[in-house]
Amino acid sequence: QKEVEQNSGPLSVPEGAIASLNCTYSDRGSQSFFWYRQYSGKSPELIMFIYSNGDKEDGRFTAQLNKASQYVSLLIRDSQPSDSATYLCAVKPTGGFKTIFGAGTRLFVKA
Amino acid sequence: SAVISQKPSRDICQRGTSLTIQCQVDSQVTMMFWYRQQPGQSLTLIATANQGSEATYESGFVIDKFPISRPNLTFSTLTVSNMSPEDSSIYLCSVQIPLLRDTQYFGPGTRLTVL
Repeated sequence: QKEVEQNSGPLSVPEGAIASLNCTYSDRGSQSFFWYRQYSGKSPELIMFIYSNGDKEDGRFTAQLNKASQYVSLLIRDSQPSDSATYLCAVKPTGGFKTIFGAGTRLFVKA
Repeated sequence: SAVISQKPSRDICQRGTSLTIQCQVDSQVTMMFWYRQQPGQSLTLIATANQGSEATYESGFVIDKFPISRPNLTFSTLTVSNMSPEDSSIYLCSVQIPLLRDTQYFGPGTRLTVL
């Protein structure tokens, strides 16, 4: 059973701080990794994807991938109250066509 | 990316009736997926719909309850049949884009309430 694990939270950070969201996965051969943001009552929207070890930056967001540790994280710099949402980690395992989604981490940014 | 629309956006239905949800994509895609999401819960994959073949259902979901059509590469429907209050949920259509590392994009969802 291929799995993606996330801490359900809620993770609470003050406005302006760095929010760190973490995710582990079970399939060592996984190649593509995704972070989605989902506001309450809305559908998931893609933040970014990463497929190489290391960091990938897009604006205030940085995705970090460590395949040896089977670990992927998302950093949100200068967190804003509008970043309050559930963040889903998703992994495309080897040998299949289905992306596996984690249950999500709820983030709350306090003004 | 892909722009996905769903109809209806929401509906309130009576027990025992059926509802068909439509999903339209602005480009041709091979892989389409249907998910269900209860409020505050994670995504649950119902089935994978490929054009020209029968849908593949996940454990716990059957074709008689959730028939799916995929007549072409830009359109799919999901029917929720013989509904009960337990079917109240948000239903999401999703597509996979191979050229973007198999990134999945989601439609806006259909909020279904069964009375």
